[in-house]
Amino acid sequence: DIQMTQSPSSLSASVGDRVTITCRASQSISSYLNWYQQKPGKAPKLLIYAASSLQSGVPSRFSGSGSGTDFTLTISSLQPEDFATYYCQQSYSTPRITFGQGTRLEIK
Amino acid sequence: EVQLVESGGGLVQPGGSLRLSCAASGFTFSSYEMNWVRQAPGKGLEWVSYISSSGSTIYYADSVKGRFTISRDNAKNSLYLQMNSLRAEDTAVYYCARTLVGATALDIWGQGTMVTVSS
Repeated sequence: DIQMTQSPSSLSASVGDRVTITCRASQSISSYLNWYQQKPGKAPKLLIYAASSLQSGVPSRFSGSGSGTDFTLTISSLQPEDFATYYCQQSYSTPRITFGQGTRLEIK
Repeated sequence: EVQLVESGGGLVQPGGSLRLSCAASGFTFSSYEMNWVRQAPGKGLEWVSYISSSGSTIYYADSVKGRFTISRDNAKNSLYLQMNSLRAEDTAVYYCARTLVGATALDIWGQGTMVTVSS
């Protein structure tokens, strides 16, 4: 199985900050990488697919980059509603997809 | 409105069975691949099972293979997960999720249904 490792596991930041979350795959997955946001008690929400494509309706302050084994999710200017847990997910071995362990983004 | 609504969760004893349902609306259900994903309390996301749009192709995670069965009824716009021989480690919120066409991402998720396996 392809293992996905996110860093950091948790992060404290302030409104207006620029934040970057990293995801590393255990083998090359080309650009088959997706990002989700999950708020407490809610279902995950797709933010970015195919490493850098913004899902419809997602604010442009979210962006994704990377290919091969190393990927990043960047939030250019944190808003209050962005405090949540973020997951990366590889779809290289679809449909046997795997998720990272999550990054909890908290208010500083 | 595009929507997925799960039902059927609850408390079940170890070794017992449960059938989850997921009702789809607002889109052409028969055109989409579907998945079940679960999340144990306080833990991350784990993919459980996949079914193709026609139902002809099915995959399972190793952790549930031989115990869970995914199915769909396109005439009823519904997805199912039959769970047998349940274990304590199956305790989780179970989400149904739609595969984004051409992108192998999960673009629409239900609200989830809680399954608790305990004596």
